[in-house]
Amino acid sequence: DAGVIQSPRHEVTEMGQEVTLRCKPISGHNSLFWYRQTMMRGLELLIYFNNNVPIDDSGMPEDRFSAKMPNASFSTLKIQPSEPRDSAVYFCASSLRKTGNTDTQYFGPGTRLTVL
Amino acid sequence: QKEVEQNSGPLSVPEGAIASLNCTYSDRGSQSFFWYRQYSGKSPELIMFIYSNGDKEDGRFTAQLNKASQYVSLLIRDSQPSDSATYLCAVSQGGGGADGLTFGKGTHLIIQP
Repeated sequence: DAGVIQSPRHEVTEMGQEVTLRCKPISGHNSLFWYRQTMMRGLELLIYFNNNVPIDDSGMPEDRFSAKMPNASFSTLKIQPSEPRDSAVYFCASSLRKTGNTDTQYFGPGTRLTVL
Repeated sequence: QKEVEQNSGPLSVPEGAIASLNCTYSDRGSQSFFWYRQYSGKSPELIMFIYSNGDKEDGRFTAQLNKASQYVSLLIRDSQPSDSATYLCAVSQGGGGADGLTFGKGTHLIIQP
């Protein structure tokens, strides 16, 4: 079974450019999470979706960040305009939300973003 | 503000010994507690979860939870060099981890051969 797929794996861009990160969750999973990891702040939740609906976006740092999940098999995280402080590894994770079960979150390989 | 605190380490443990990793959390409403392992340059992977006070064992790993003290720990018995990694403690308000996780910054564990 394919795990969570993220693209691109590496992205280098210049300040002010638009960046779009993509995620394909594990087939059949109905919850999707976007996290960001830096040395200074560790791993932080940005936003998560249940059944394609955004549930909690309180972790999205600014209006420059937006996330969408148009269908169960695809999500995007967009940064516009990008800034050097956005440089981080962005992880997407998915889980199967089922009552009474542990909703293990499976992480993708991450996208390493560098904003110059 | 929900916070999860871990000693960043590095924690150095000889091979074959017991490694003890600790974590405290600030939100008393937290219901689910997780330990993830992250190798350098890789993504986090779940090792164990625990919901109830007490101990939970899985192979060489034991998770311990004390909700009154807001304290979670992970013991690794018979430590192996392959256990060298960063261990992330995570908590969730939702049952079963259905909600987003709040992570600590991790403890870097080094198992010395």
